[in-house]
Amino acid sequence: DSGVTQTPKHLITATGQRVTLRCSPRSGDLSVYWYQQSLDQGLQFLIQYYNGEERAKGNILERFSAQQFPDLHSELNLSSLELGDSALYFCASSPHSGFTGNTIYFGEGSWLTVV
Amino acid sequence: GESVGLHLPTLSVQEGDNSIINCAYSNSASDYFIWYKQESGKGPQFIIDIRSNMDKRQGQRVTVLLNKTVKHLSLQIAATQPGDSAVYFCAELLFGNEKLTFGTGTRLTIIP
Repeated sequence: DSGVTQTPKHLITATGQRVTLRCSPRSGDLSVYWYQQSLDQGLQFLIQYYNGEERAKGNILERFSAQQFPDLHSELNLSSLELGDSALYFCASSPHSGFTGNTIYFGEGSWLTVV
Repeated sequence: GESVGLHLPTLSVQEGDNSIINCAYSNSASDYFIWYKQESGKGPQFIIDIRSNMDKRQGQRVTVLLNKTVKHLSLQIAATQPGDSAVYFCAELLFGNEKLTFGTGTRLTIIP
């Protein structure tokens, strides 16, 4: 168990809908990262928050947004969903703002299926 | 659930043998490289990392080799065990740009 908790584990929704994925980082970790893992794009970095503020942005679509709350949990909001958004969405957390591989722990992911 | 990426390169290795997983990375300016292991139904798990000023780093049963000339990274796993069966990803990073870029992944299967 990495200590990073993601909910829901599985989600099926229709095109055009909006969903929110939630991540609770490991205790004490200030950074939260979001990644998307899909069949055609592999694992892609979406966005990072550190202590409530956006720190880095990757290939995140405009239809997607994220935030980190004062209690450090994070939510990834996906709207106007398309079939191609079906993927496994991972959250990872770290104590640091900068990336260090051995201090970053991934959750088990949220499987999103858009039908 | 399985790791996403059904069309991954695959490598089958007899239990007890050594395995070598290769990765070609994309950015010659990348400073830092990581190997991750992803087991079925789980998130990526850190295995070993290496900075661009090194060409070899050893861990427990694992060795990472970096060849910057040809932008190639390899992961050697010694004396493979059934628990090593997983998908392995290399990833690269440019310090100051926190955008970790993952490779395609290789599915390693250990044959008992």
